[in-house]
Amino acid sequence: QSALTQPASVSGSPGQSITIPCTGTSSDIGGFDYVSWYQHRPGKAPKLMIFDVSNRPSGVPNRFSGSKSGNAASLMISGLQAEDEANYYCSSYSSGSTPYVFGTGTEVSVL
Amino acid sequence: QVQLVQSGAEVKKPGASVKVSCKTSGFTFTDYDIHWVRQAPGRGLEWVGRVTPNSGGTKYAQKFQGWVTMTWDTSISTAYMELSSLKPDDTAVYYCARGGKICSGHCCYDFWGQGALVTVSS
Repeated sequence: QSALTQPASVSGSPGQSITIPCTGTSSDIGGFDYVSWYQHRPGKAPKLMIFDVSNRPSGVPNRFSGSKSGNAASLMISGLQAEDEANYYCSSYSSGSTPYVFGTGTEVSVL
Repeated sequence: QVQLVQSGAEVKKPGASVKVSCKTSGFTFTDYDIHWVRQAPGRGLEWVGRVTPNSGGTKYAQKFQGWVTMTWDTSISTAYMELSSLKPDDTAVYYCARGGKICSGHCCYDFWGQGALVTVSS
């Protein structure tokens, strides 16, 4: 089962907005609204930021939003802050032989 | 509060086995799936498998079938992952994570353990 595709890095200045794309197939992102996003800082456990494509768990700032179109999903961070520097991973349910897949990961830098 | 506390770091030789534990608290263990995810050095997250204590079911990623075994002990709310025939490529941080009920199909991970580093080296 192939990983979902993400750019290796995305950067922005404080206060700007950035978007992280996540590309899959009709067997995963395109087939289900089960996309989630995780923030992962080095040495820490990953943190759930978005679930079911566009929903935020309690405590996650509304600067984080998610969307989906066809076989691709996106995470947008608006009003970028220094604390947003981390790696971000998308994840989706899949009808393939491996039912859960992650994206390749994107390193977000705040310039 | 919800907690998942994993066992400590391990160093193993190629060909050996390792068993990582994940002790949970703050929720009813049998009400949730427990997933295992790994991250090799410099690599991304990779789903390894899942246990469903309520039904007794397990599901493994295709690449791990045959050499990973996931079990649990309901009496102590603890899940286990055992990897056999270890190779240097299995060097990674192994995380346990709870399958979130807030997500449709429970297809997300809402609480994670702190991770357990497994190093495979001769």
